[in-house]
Amino acid sequence: DTEVTQTPKHLVMGMTNKKSLKCEQHMGHRAMYWYKQKAKKPPELMFVYSYEKLSINESVPSRFSPECPNSSLLNLHLHALQPEDSALYLCASSHLAGGLSGSYEQYFGPGTRLTVT
Amino acid sequence: QKEVEQDPGPLSVPEGAIVSLNCTYSNSAFQYFMWYRQYSRKGPELLMYTYSSGNKEDGRFTAQVDKSSKYISLFIRDSQPSDSATYLCAVLSGSARQLTFGSGTQLTVLP
Repeated sequence: DTEVTQTPKHLVMGMTNKKSLKCEQHMGHRAMYWYKQKAKKPPELMFVYSYEKLSINESVPSRFSPECPNSSLLNLHLHALQPEDSALYLCASSHLAGGLSGSYEQYFGPGTRLTVT
Repeated sequence: QKEVEQDPGPLSVPEGAIVSLNCTYSNSAFQYFMWYRQYSRKGPELLMYTYSSGNKEDGRFTAQVDKSSKYISLFIRDSQPSDSATYLCAVLSGSARQLTFGSGTQLTVLP
């Protein structure tokens, strides 16, 4: 099973709202990622968690706050977003130490389509 | 110079054609290469994963890596309308195994 699940599928929020995106995987992956994707552009890396610790923050504004409660779950907390933050938010996961097959395949979830009004 | 450059397309071919999608990369240290397919409004789906140089085949898809020229390709044989999607090449780097993507090529296979 190579499934990464994300909830919700769609989210509309106002600029003063607080909301959270959730991501889950059960592949035993110890690296989890958040990406942001605008229309007709490739995904852009936002955050990386390695062994449940934040290892990379690609200079993301503080209105985005990631959290990794355990090795299977990844959250992205949203607060005071701007309309330009509207995008598809993608979660992904992979092995860090090459897994049993020695591979680092990275699997993506279906994404949360976020609209900020 | 971008780390990964991809032929932008869009590309339109008739059903049954052989499709060639291409990327170049700048850092000779890259060793892991991936191709993703992304349908409109969906998440990227991993198609092919290649380590180092050489070819890898999976059904109608062949991924090719030429490390001497820093060139990666995806070939689709007997293309089908269901192959219509955006194809993204990506390279893996860093201790956190992060991906850097090409800009994507939008492919349309006409019935």
